[in-house]
Amino acid sequence: AIQLTQSPSSLSASVGDRVTITCRASQGISNALAWFQQTPGKPPKLLVYDASTLESGVPSRFSGSGSGTDFTLTISSLQPEDFATYYCQHFNSYPHIFGQGTRLEIK
Amino acid sequence: EVQLVQSGGGLVQPGWSLRLSCAPSGFIVSNSFINWVRQAPGKGLEWVSIIYSDGRTFHADSMQGRFTISRDNSKNIVYLQMSSLRPEDTAVYYCARARGGNAAHKTVSEYWGQGTLVTVSS
Repeated sequence: AIQLTQSPSSLSASVGDRVTITCRASQGISNALAWFQQTPGKPPKLLVYDASTLESGVPSRFSGSGSGTDFTLTISSLQPEDFATYYCQHFNSYPHIFGQGTRLEIK
Repeated sequence: EVQLVQSGGGLVQPGWSLRLSCAPSGFIVSNSFINWVRQAPGKGLEWVSIIYSDGRTFHADSMQGRFTISRDNSKNIVYLQMSSLRPEDTAVYYCARARGGNAAHKTVSEYWGQGTLVTVSS
């Protein structure tokens, strides 16, 4: 199975900061990657699919990039509602593995 | 409006079986791709299974043979039948409608249910 490794596992940042989260696949997956945001007690929310396509309604401060094995999710200017846990997931083949998550905390 | 209402969770003993239900509104399950994803307490997300609009199913290796996804088109409900439950199956289970269509991203979860807690303990 293709594994995904996210880094960092946790991150402290301030409102207005630019942050980048990385997701590395154990083998090439083309652009078959999605990013989700989850806040405590809530289901995940789809942010990005096809590595770089923003889901409808997601603020433009979110962006995704990458192809093959290395991917990034960038938040250009953190807002208070962005403090959450972020997960990548591939959909190249089964099983559709998730990364272990990156917890974004307020500094 | 797309919504998914989940039910069927609860406390069961190891070795028991349980069936989770996912009842959508705003769309028809037979035309959709539906995922199940679980999250153990304080842990990350784990993909469990998917059923395609054409009826094909796929399951995570660790749950193959114990968990089965199915649907009842007449009731417009998707099920996750879980058997031989273990304490490590304790989690919140989410059903989610995928984007659908013909592109590779058809299996990406777009709309999520509220989740249902399954606790396996003696």
